[in-house]
Amino acid sequence: SAVISQKPSRDICQRGTSLTIQCQVDSQVTMMFWYRQQPGQSLTLIATANQGSEATYESGFVIDKFPISRPNLTFSTLTVSNMSPEDSSIYLCSVGALGTGQETQYFGPGTRLLVL
Amino acid sequence: AQSVTQLGSHVSVSEGALVLLRCNYSSSVPPYLFWYVQYPNQGLQLLLKYTSAATLVKGINGFEAEFKKSETSFHLTKPSAHMSDAAEYFCAAKTNFGNEKLTFGTGTRLTIIP
Repeated sequence: SAVISQKPSRDICQRGTSLTIQCQVDSQVTMMFWYRQQPGQSLTLIATANQGSEATYESGFVIDKFPISRPNLTFSTLTVSNMSPEDSSIYLCSVGALGTGQETQYFGPGTRLLVL
Repeated sequence: AQSVTQLGSHVSVSEGALVLLRCNYSSSVPPYLFWYVQYPNQGLQLLLKYTSAATLVKGINGFEAEFKKSETSFHLTKPSAHMSDAAEYFCAAKTNFGNEKLTFGTGTRLTIIP
């Protein structure tokens, strides 16, 4: 399985500011995903990020609020813009592991964000 | 659309007792199914997965799950609970015809009673 790291691991931010979260993978992967896990909740997919193309956002998430970059096959960033306390969540990146078409997603350790 | 239902948001079992966490999926076409575990302040770790091979799937830490098409279920079990099993468990499904999107259940928090 891929080894995935995220930076920062946690942060406390003031409302109105922006935070960029980095996701680094130890091998080249086609598909990277960004999820949000609000306190006590399950995971919700924010967007799918493929290298060389625009990210595909899920319903309820927009590029202006959550811009994503995917400059190469091992790295992606998610920015949480103009933050409010409602953005306090765990943000997780995941990657699809290639293999005989039966892709499994592996997750990073998450970034714990608290917005004051 | 695919949906995943986990019955019981909280489950408590005594140490050494059987662990049973329930998961049902909605798709008419059997999807790929996954169980993930999240320990406190950590990310998600893959426990096991079903990808249309054997219906009884063995995973890490002594967990296993059985795919039952007739019941559209993929329940997670462990014969004997350990204190270290206390965590949040998520069932997830993905269609097996090219859509990479994972759909998660709402999660079950497992508490182990000493």
